[in-house]
Amino acid sequence: DAGVIQSPRHEVTEMGQEVTLRCKPISGHNSLFWYRQTMMRGLELLIYFNNNVPIDDSGMPEDRFSAKMPNASFSTLKIQPSEPRDSAVYFCASRSPGGPDTEAFFGQGTRLTVV
Amino acid sequence: GENVEQHPSTLSVQEGDSAVIKCTYSDSASNYFPWYKQELGKRPQLIIDIRSNVGEKKDQRIAVTLNKTAKHFSLHITETQPEDSAVYFCAAYFFTGFQKLVFGTGTRLLVSP
Repeated sequence: DAGVIQSPRHEVTEMGQEVTLRCKPISGHNSLFWYRQTMMRGLELLIYFNNNVPIDDSGMPEDRFSAKMPNASFSTLKIQPSEPRDSAVYFCASRSPGGPDTEAFFGQGTRLTVV
Repeated sequence: GENVEQHPSTLSVQEGDSAVIKCTYSDSASNYFPWYKQELGKRPQLIIDIRSNVGEKKDQRIAVTLNKTAKHFSLHITETQPEDSAVYFCAAYFFTGFQKLVFGTGTRLLVSP
């Protein structure tokens, strides 16, 4: 398995534009997490899905952010409109079903720069 | 709410010294605590974890301890080497019907030769 795959790796966009980040979890994993990483706040959990259903989106900063998981092999995080303060590295992680002690695997991340 | 606090935010040691990173969590029901290491420009990767039915776990130069009563857990690295330099994150699973993985804010460890 290639692991968790995120695209694009880097994204530079202008303020006000729509940005879509993509994630393909590891096959067979049924939990998917989106995190935002900044120097000041570390790894913030934005939203997580279980069996494609959004469970907790309390970490989504505002209505400009939305996430979907239309099937078990694909998820998107969308920012519309984007703002400079959204600049960060966005990670997706997935986890297999099973007990509470299964490892979460991270993708390579998407470095977003909003100018 | 679900919260994990981590200290210190930065830690500088000399090669060969020990390093200790401490975390506290808010939910007494949490029972699984992983630690991740993130090298510069790379993804976080699991290095060790501990479950609530044990108080300590070791893997070569790395050890984790857990005090469930105080809701504290710690990472100990002995005989540090320059390649240990990275950002370390503690984490805890919170059970809100499903298992929510929340991270601490990270510790930047610098090991000087």
